[in-house]
Amino acid sequence: DIQMTQSPSSLSASVGDRVTITCQASQSIRSYLNWYQQKPGTAPKLLIYAASSLQSGVPSRFSGSGSGTDFTLTISSLQPEDFATYYCQQSYSAPRTFGPGTKVDIK
Amino acid sequence: EVELLESGGGLVQPGGSLRLSCAASGFTFRSYAMSWVRQAPGKGLEWVSVISGSGGSTDYADSVKGRFTISRDNSKNTLYLQMNSLRAEDTAVYYCAKEGGSYLDLDYWGQGTLVTVSS
Repeated sequence: DIQMTQSPSSLSASVGDRVTITCQASQSIRSYLNWYQQKPGTAPKLLIYAASSLQSGVPSRFSGSGSGTDFTLTISSLQPEDFATYYCQQSYSAPRTFGPGTKVDIK
Repeated sequence: EVELLESGGGLVQPGGSLRLSCAASGFTFRSYAMSWVRQAPGKGLEWVSVISGSGGSTDYADSVKGRFTISRDNSKNTLYLQMNSLRAEDTAVYYCAKEGGSYLDLDYWGQGTLVTVSS
């Protein structure tokens, strides 16, 4: 099975900050990497698919990069509504594992 | 508008069974693979199972293999998860989700249904 790791596990940031979250796969997953945002008590929301493609309706301050085993989610200017937990997920092979999540909270 | 509505969650004793349903609307159901993802209280997301659009292909997480069965009824636009031999560690909110496209992302999610396994 492919293992996914994320760093950091949590971070504190201020509105307007640039935030970067990294995700690493235990083996190459090409570009089969997706990012989700989850707020407390709600279902996850797809932000980025295929490592760098922005899902329709998602603000352009979100971007993704990487391929193979190393990936990054960047929020260019953090907004109040972006405080949430972010998960990466590989969809290269089953089981389609998620990373452990990165919680972004207010500094 | 795509809508996914889960039902069937509740309290069940260890060793018991439960069947979850996910009613889909707003898209051509038979054309898309569907997944179940769960989240234990205070924990992260765990992928559980996927089924192809035709229902002919399925996959499971090791943690549920042999105990859970995913299925679908394309005439009713409904996805199912039959859960047998339930354990305390199966306690979670269960989400159904629709696959988006060729990169197998999950582009729409239901609101989730809570399954509690306890005596």
